Amino acid sequence: AQSVSQHNHHVILSEAASLELGCNYSYGGTVNLFWYVQYPGQHLQLLLKYFSGDPLVKGIKGFEAEFIKSKFSFNLRKPSVQWSDTAEYFCAVNAGSSYKLIFGSGTRLLVRP
Amino acid sequence: SQTIHQWPATLVQPVGSPLSLECTVEGTSNPNLYWYRQAAGRGLQLLFYSVGIGQISSEVPQNLSASRPQDRQFILSSKKLLLSDSGFYLCAWNLGRGAHEQFFGPGTRLTVL
Repeated sequence: AQSVSQHNHHVILSEAASLELGCNYSYGGTVNLFWYVQYPGQHLQLLLKYFSGDPLVKGIKGFEAEFIKSKFSFNLRKPSVQWSDTAEYFCAVNAGSSYKLIFGSGTRLLVRP
Repeated sequence: SQTIHQWPATLVQPVGSPLSLECTVEGTSNPNLYWYRQAAGRGLQLLFYSVGIGQISSEVPQNLSASRPQDRQFILSSKKLLLSDSGFYLCAWNLGRGAHEQFFGPGTRLTVL
């Protein structure tokens, strides 16, 4: 069965620190990869996605993620975090053009001012 | 523009009581509709999805059922709630599969006592 692993459940950073959140998936075929973010009190929303082409994708608010097929990974990065990046981040995988999204368990990020 | 509504926002129900959560989408036609449950530290678990009126796919055998009586209406139900049904229920929609982003509603917080 397909699965998604997010290794960091809680991350605490100071403003201006660099961020990298890990995401690994298990599926041997073609995948579409997503990072969603849930800011406090807001809907879950798309941060960025990869479906083909350049494995380095850029999203909103300065976030980027790199798809490394050989490592089955899609890590999220941001060079310098802000207090407003405090949120919960979810990695998700869609396999083989199915309807379903498989989510990781999420990472809670707290950025201290 | 498209919007997605869920109600109620919060619900407290006794064990053994029935449940009905409603999700409606505005501004689009023939959406795919999804029900997820979000549990703390466990990410989002897909419960049901529907690609058309009356078409329901169940992902996890459980105490819940779903129905789609109209094109843009998706209902999550239970005849008798269990304590384990407590959680945060999210509805989502999209217009395709694979790389198509899912758009999430505000969610319903269900507490079963």
